Amino acid sequence: NAGVTQTPKFQVLKTGQSMTLQCAQDMNHEYMSWYRQDPGMGLRLIHYSVGAGITDQGEVPNGYNVSRSTTEDFPLRLLSAAPSQTSVYFCASRIEGASLAEAFFGQGTRLTVV
Amino acid sequence: EDKVVQSPLSLVVHEGDTVTLNCSYEVTNFRSLLWYKQEKKAPTFLFMLTSSGIEKKSGRLSSILDKKELSSILNITATQTGDSAIYLCAVGSNYKLTFGKGTLLTVNP
Repeated sequence: NAGVTQTPKFQVLKTGQSMTLQCAQDMNHEYMSWYRQDPGMGLRLIHYSVGAGITDQGEVPNGYNVSRSTTEDFPLRLLSAAPSQTSVYFCASRIEGASLAEAFFGQGTRLTVV
Repeated sequence: EDKVVQSPLSLVVHEGDTVTLNCSYEVTNFRSLLWYKQEKKAPTFLFMLTSSGIEKKSGRLSSILDKKELSSILNITATQTGDSAIYLCAVGSNYKLTFGKGTLLTVNP
């Protein structure tokens, strides 16, 4: 009963390094999304996907890339990390058509860029 | 651009008090409003309100959607220290969930 699984849980990067945050879900949800959470800012949408092969930008997409080659996986890539990307990142999934369903969240990745 | 505003941003109460948290929204193509509770880690789902279900209740928590005023309230009665958390409001429109900044609730013994 895994739900949404994010890895890693913690990561420290140096400015300019690249990395990929992994997100996988086993609920066959079509809709997946990435949020970042900063103190006092709620959850801000980075990118989302409504199905395999389809992605779109959210509110704060700059500095991040995504792809969706399978229904299960939705990785988030930082090509050149910056201190402004220090944050807690959450991946979420919902069923298709999905404004009428709750989102299930992964446990988060705490990223620090130094 | 979709917008969700929560108030107050923080609130400190004593155990046993009743609290009301507010959420207002401006979105295109409103489909649903959701409340989440966030303690140390990921948000956990509380309620979803839609045009066909504008009031929900679970134990000491209840929520109402006012579609005319484009707002919702979350009530917590007889608060306990375990209710201390960030409460997040989110609005579903098209394929997106837009979150407010949250209300940090602290319940003191």
